[in-house]
Amino acid sequence: IAGITQAPTSQILAAGRRMTLRCTQDMRHNAMYWYRQDLGLGLRLIHYSNTAGTTGKGEVPDGYSVSRANTDDFPLTLASAVPSQTSVYFCASSDDTNTGELFFGEGSRLTVL
Amino acid sequence: GQNIDQPTEMTATEGAIVQINCTYQTSGFNGLFWYQQHAGEAPTFLSYNVLDGLEEKGRFSSFLSRSKGYSYLLLKELQMKDSASYLCAVRDSNYQLIWGAGTKLIIKP
Repeated sequence: IAGITQAPTSQILAAGRRMTLRCTQDMRHNAMYWYRQDLGLGLRLIHYSNTAGTTGKGEVPDGYSVSRANTDDFPLTLASAVPSQTSVYFCASSDDTNTGELFFGEGSRLTVL
Repeated sequence: GQNIDQPTEMTATEGAIVQINCTYQTSGFNGLFWYQQHAGEAPTFLSYNVLDGLEEKGRFSSFLSRSKGYSYLLLKELQMKDSASYLCAVRDSNYQLIWGAGTKLIIKP
C-alpha cells in the first residue's frame, strides 16, 4: 500500500541519548516534512526538504537534524534528547500539484525521561 | 506574528449540522486547508480553498473569505465517525503551512 511509513511507532528514551526517527515514502513525492504535535498547539514544522539533497529549517529546528540522501527517506535525528522533546512526531510528504496537500505518516510517539 | 484561531472544542448531535470557524492572520496567503484527525491517528486531507466561496465535497463543505481572513468547515448529517479534531492551516507567502491548534468535535447520539 502506497504511503508513508514511520518507525518506531512509540519509544521511551533517556535524556541525553541519541535517537533517529525513520520516515520512508513510496509516492515519489519531492517534498517531505517533519512536524511535532503537542497538546493545545498546532502542528509545528521542525525541518523540511523540497527535494532530494536539500533540507531547510522550520519553526522549531533546535535540537534536531535531518538528511535527504534520496527521494524516499527523510530521517529525523535528536542528537541528545531532552524532556521538552517529548511529543508526537509526524512525517509528511506532498506532491507537486497546485493543491500540494500533505500525506502524513502514522506518527511516532516519543517520551524523553 | 502569524496566527490561526479556531475553537478548542465543539459538541453536536448525530444527524445535525455543525460549522467550525477558522480565522487567520498570516504573511500572505496561498491557500487554506482543512484536515481531519481522529484521536491517535494521522491528519488526513479534507479540503482546500484558494479563492473566495464555497467548496462542497459530499457532506463536507468549506468556505473562504480572504478579505475577512475567515474560513469555515461545514459538516452535514453528522455521524458518530465524524468525532475527531479538525485542523485549519494556511499556506503563507513563503509557501509554508501555518497550523491552528485544532477543534475537537464531539458527536453525541
